[in-house]
Amino acid sequence: SFELSQPSSVSVSPGQTAAIPCSGQKLGDKFASWYQQKPGQSPVLVIYQDTKRPSGIPERFSGSNSGTTATLTISGTEPMDEADYYCQAWDSDTAVFGGGTRLTVL
Amino acid sequence: VHLVESGGGVVPPGKSLRLSCVASGFAVSNYGMHWVRQVPGKGLDWVAGIWSDGTKKNYRGSLKGRFSISKDRFQNTMYLEMDSLRAEDTAVYYCARERGYCSGETCFDGVDGLDVWGQGTTVIVSS
Repeated sequence: SFELSQPSSVSVSPGQTAAIPCSGQKLGDKFASWYQQKPGQSPVLVIYQDTKRPSGIPERFSGSNSGTTATLTISGTEPMDEADYYCQAWDSDTAVFGGGTRLTVL
Repeated sequence: VHLVESGGGVVPPGKSLRLSCVASGFAVSNYGMHWVRQVPGKGLDWVAGIWSDGTKKNYRGSLKGRFSISKDRFQNTMYLEMDSLRAEDTAVYYCARERGYCSGETCFDGVDGLDVWGQGTTVIVSS
């Protein structure tokens, strides 16, 4: 079955660039989406169709997807970006989420 | 544009529960709609989805036969009927709207991200 893998945690210093990878078989052939979830809150879509940002999402959030890996990049990371991030793609009409990555900004 | 879930609660194993998701600001009949659950402290798990035109319903493999998704365009509401509940169904259940991906004149479900989420409703299965 189709699975998405993410590192459990990533750390970054404020102002630096954070990159969160998500890997899956032939993921580049599908659209990847990314969600941010802060404690006690619902997920928020931050990237869709691999590279697009919904309105209201800061420009520092960007995405790429090629081969077997999609990557969420946060440039100039701010303390408010500390959260859990999930990648997601579709396979055989079912939505598949990665296990999530805890981004720590320190 | 909002989604509001309700219907969660504490139920003993083997019982049933129906979750509701009321939409405002858009018509559920125009979008693919989904349920996603999250065990506290764990990741997101897609539960079920219903296509924009309602013709197709899909379920997480292990839930097929126990859960049933539907939507009512007149009430502008989506539902999740859960039967034979088990302890492992304990989670926060979110409803979410799927962005409509369109290429030219044709639009597709099961392709794009989930752009609107409700606040979640908690289901606890315990005796």
